[in-house]
Amino acid sequence: DSGVTQTPKHLITATGQRVTLRCSPRSGDLSVYWYQQSLDQGLQFLIQYYNGEERAKGNILERFSAQQFPDLHSELNLSSLELGDSALYFCASSVAGGTGEKLFFGSGTQLSVL
Amino acid sequence: SQQGEEDPQALSIQEGENATMNCSYKTSINNLQWYRQNSGRGLVHLILIRSNEREKHSGRLRVTLDTSKKSSSLLITASRAADTASYFCATDHPGTTDSWGKLQFGAGTQVVVTP
Repeated sequence: DSGVTQTPKHLITATGQRVTLRCSPRSGDLSVYWYQQSLDQGLQFLIQYYNGEERAKGNILERFSAQQFPDLHSELNLSSLELGDSALYFCASSVAGGTGEKLFFGSGTQLSVL
Repeated sequence: SQQGEEDPQALSIQEGENATMNCSYKTSINNLQWYRQNSGRGLVHLILIRSNEREKHSGRLRVTLDTSKKSSSLLITASRAADTASYFCATDHPGTTDSWGKLQFGAGTQVVVTP
């Protein structure tokens, strides 16, 4: 058990809909990362937060947004969903979000857009 | 875009044999990490090697880093069925604060260890 909690584990929805994925980092970790994993794109970095502030941005679509709350949990919002958004979405956390830190991953949310 | 590329894409070995996989990357790094992913589950950190290190060991794992060739290798010795998983290298690149702590993952090597 990594200590990172993601909910829900599975999500099935229709195109055009909006969903929210939730992540609770390991106790004491200040930084949260979101990654998307799909067969064709592999593991893609989406966004990183540190203590409530956006720290780094990757290949995150404009239809997607995220935030980290004062209690350090994070949410990833996906809107106007398309078939191609079907993927495994991972949250990870680290102590301070700096270079050389190892990431602790949650078990992921499997999103299926029908 | 992905930085690391693992080779081979897939590897099938028998228990007791060694498994070697390689990772190549494109631009200079601060450090390189290896992660394991069991089927559809979250990634688990295995080992980190810094850019000024050439070799590192952790139990049955041995990682090497050649910054001149922009490549790393992961060796798993005396493999077990429980080592069956996908293995990913992840690179941390220097740059602006926008890249601070951001890991870029390769496509992974699928390893199957048969009893």
